[in-house]
Amino acid sequence: GAVVSQHPSWVICKSGTSVKIECRSLDFQATTMFWYRQFPKQSLMLMATSNEGSKATYEQGVEKDKFLINHASLTLSTLTVTSAHPEDSSFYICSASGGALYETQYFGPGTRLLVL
Amino acid sequence: AQKVTQAQTEISVVEKEDVTLDCVYETRDTTYYLFWYKQPPSGELVFLIRRNSFDEQNEISGRYSWNFQKSTSSFNFTITASQVVDSAVYFCALSAFSGAGSYQLTFGKGTKLSVIP
Repeated sequence: GAVVSQHPSWVICKSGTSVKIECRSLDFQATTMFWYRQFPKQSLMLMATSNEGSKATYEQGVEKDKFLINHASLTLSTLTVTSAHPEDSSFYICSASGGALYETQYFGPGTRLLVL
Repeated sequence: AQKVTQAQTEISVVEKEDVTLDCVYETRDTTYYLFWYKQPPSGELVFLIRRNSFDEQNEISGRYSWNFQKSTSSFNFTITASQVVDSAVYFCALSAFSGAGSYQLTFGKGTKLSVIP
């Protein structure tokens, strides 16, 4: 149990385009989803926390208009990187928690974004 | 504020050796959870274990064991008879209830374990 999927796993795009990443909890209801960013050989950096049906709470220094997060259902959250630039290239990972698993985050496989 | 320190950046061991990954944490919360996650080269974080702050019992799961000591604020992870498949980055993390209305994780910087055949 506690499986989280993420799509796509890889994306390459041109500078200026927008990219949407989906995160789904497959076998539990995720009342809370989290989005992280990880640079090579570094730890995970929390970008934002989203509760189902509410606006996301962004960490300090994360641009809300740049990284749009939607958590419209208990099984799906999306992260849209708007007008992507090369510096947005990174490994984006989502996690989900909820129900009896509320204090544990289960992670998706991650999405590698390369902006040319 | 929470803080998790993994002092070992990289460790190399020869297959079948035992290895201990250290984790020290800081928190003012009385209720919190401690975790270990494994991140293999594929990138996905794999949940290994969760302990709550009121349960100091050590735990063993196959070749894995964890030693939680509140007196020293440590939550160390030992792999017995290491195997090449254990090669990965291991993250220790602490979770406490946040102002955002959820349990947020604070990660250590990770320890890269290389098991040499």
